[in-house]
Amino acid sequence: SYELTQPPSVSVSPGQTARITCSGDALPKQYAYWYQQKPGQAPVLVIYEDSERPSGIPERFSGSSSGTTVTLTISGVQAEDEADYYCQSADSSGTSHVVFGGGTKLTVL
Amino acid sequence: QVTLRESGPALVKPTQTLTLTCTFSGFSLSTSGMCVSWFRQPPGKALEWLALIDWDDDKYYSTSLKTRLTISKDTSKNQVVLTMTNMDPVDTATYYCARMDAAGTFDIWGQGTMVTVSS
Repeated sequence: SYELTQPPSVSVSPGQTARITCSGDALPKQYAYWYQQKPGQAPVLVIYEDSERPSGIPERFSGSSSGTTVTLTISGVQAEDEADYYCQSADSSGTSHVVFGGGTKLTVL
Repeated sequence: QVTLRESGPALVKPTQTLTLTCTFSGFSLSTSGMCVSWFRQPPGKALEWLALIDWDDDKYYSTSLKTRLTISKDTSKNQVVLTMTNMDPVDTATYYCARMDAAGTFDIWGQGTMVTVSS
C-alpha cells in the first residue's frame, strides 16, 4: 500500500524556522495537504494543494513541493504552533484514495 | 457556517457492529463536488482515512477495511452514516467526519467521538 513518510519529531526555538518534510512516490502527481492537530482537538487544514494557505491561517505557514517530497515551513515559530502535523495525499493509481503520513510532533523549545 | 458533529456509542463490545452518524449543516451534500468522509485516530497514533461518499452517492473505502465498512447518506436529514462490522479492541479510536469541498480539501472537521471496544 502507498505510504507517506514524515519525521517523527522536529524541534525549534521560538522565532526560528521549522521545516517538516513528507515523502511519497506519487507526490509529483498528487497534491499534498497539511493539517495541524493540537492535543484533544480535531485536525485543522493549514496548507492545501501543496502551497495554498486557507483563509485565517497565518502567513508564517507555507508549503512547497520538489519531486517526491513536500515541505511545510513555519517561519518565526511561536509557542502556539506546537502541535502534531500530518501530510495527506493520494495514490496516483487511485487505489489508496486518501493517505496520511505518520505525523510529526513539532516541539517549540 | 459549516459544522459537522459525530454521534454514536462510546462503548461497543467485540464482534458488535458500530454505527456512527455525522450530522452536518451549512452545506448540502446534493451540491456537485461536495463529499463527506470518515477518519479515525487511535490514542497516540496517526490519522487514518476510512471512507468517503460524494454528492452523486459514489462511495470509496479504505482498501484495508473495505470489507467491514459501509457508508451512506440521507440528504434530507443532512446526515452521513458509517457502519463498521466485527469491532475489535484495536478499533478503539476517536472517529471524525469531515467535509471535502469541490477542490478536494478536507476543510471542515467535526470534533470527533471516542469509541472504545471492550467486553
